[in-house]
Amino acid sequence: SQLAEENLWALSVHEGESVTVNCSYKTSITALQWYRQKSGEGPAQLILIRSNEREKRNGRLRATLDTSSQSSSLSITATRCEDTAVYFCATDEDTNAYKVIFGKGTHLHVLP
Amino acid sequence: EAAVTQSPRNKVAVTGGKVTLSCNQTNNHNNMYWYRQDTGHGLRLIHYSYGAGSTEKGDIPDGYKASRPSQENFSLILELATPSQTSVYFCASGEWGLGTGQLYFGEGSKLTVL
Repeated sequence: SQLAEENLWALSVHEGESVTVNCSYKTSITALQWYRQKSGEGPAQLILIRSNEREKRNGRLRATLDTSSQSSSLSITATRCEDTAVYFCATDEDTNAYKVIFGKGTHLHVLP
Repeated sequence: EAAVTQSPRNKVAVTGGKVTLSCNQTNNHNNMYWYRQDTGHGLRLIHYSYGAGSTEKGDIPDGYKASRPSQENFSLILELATPSQTSVYFCASGEWGLGTGQLYFGEGSKLTVL
């Protein structure tokens, strides 16, 4: 089952531009998290946004959550080449808060 | 900094052979996870555990067994490896539940089954 899914396989931007990655999910959740995976590494958490929150910021990152449409977005401003990575959203299951499911990921390429 | 260590980092196995991937965490987390990552599929959950002695099936458990002998260690076992199990495997630990926490991942184990 794919509880969470990003809506784009890949996208490219030029350094300095802003970019948004979107995610949709299928069940009610307690929280949604965004992870980044750089080449050759394991994923690392960027932002956690709880179901009662609408927006969360972390430096150049901004996550939003819309529980009515079961969707989330991650925006990155002033992108840098080192932002090149795969971005995943991850959620738990409403019947099992400890079962953590990831989407397929969006490959972001930031060009110089 | 949370630490999750996987071994081996690279493994070549023959079809029908037994493969054990090991994971050790020093974070004292209750929950541990095994995922596999393949192009076009993202991270898919194989097995997870709530604590020592427990294992739970994820979304793609067929062909895999898991073992959690202690709080620190979580193994993924392929009794009869097949070429379709060629993949990169990630172990993670974390305290995720009720809208808190995060997962900490190891660096991955690349398995090739010939």
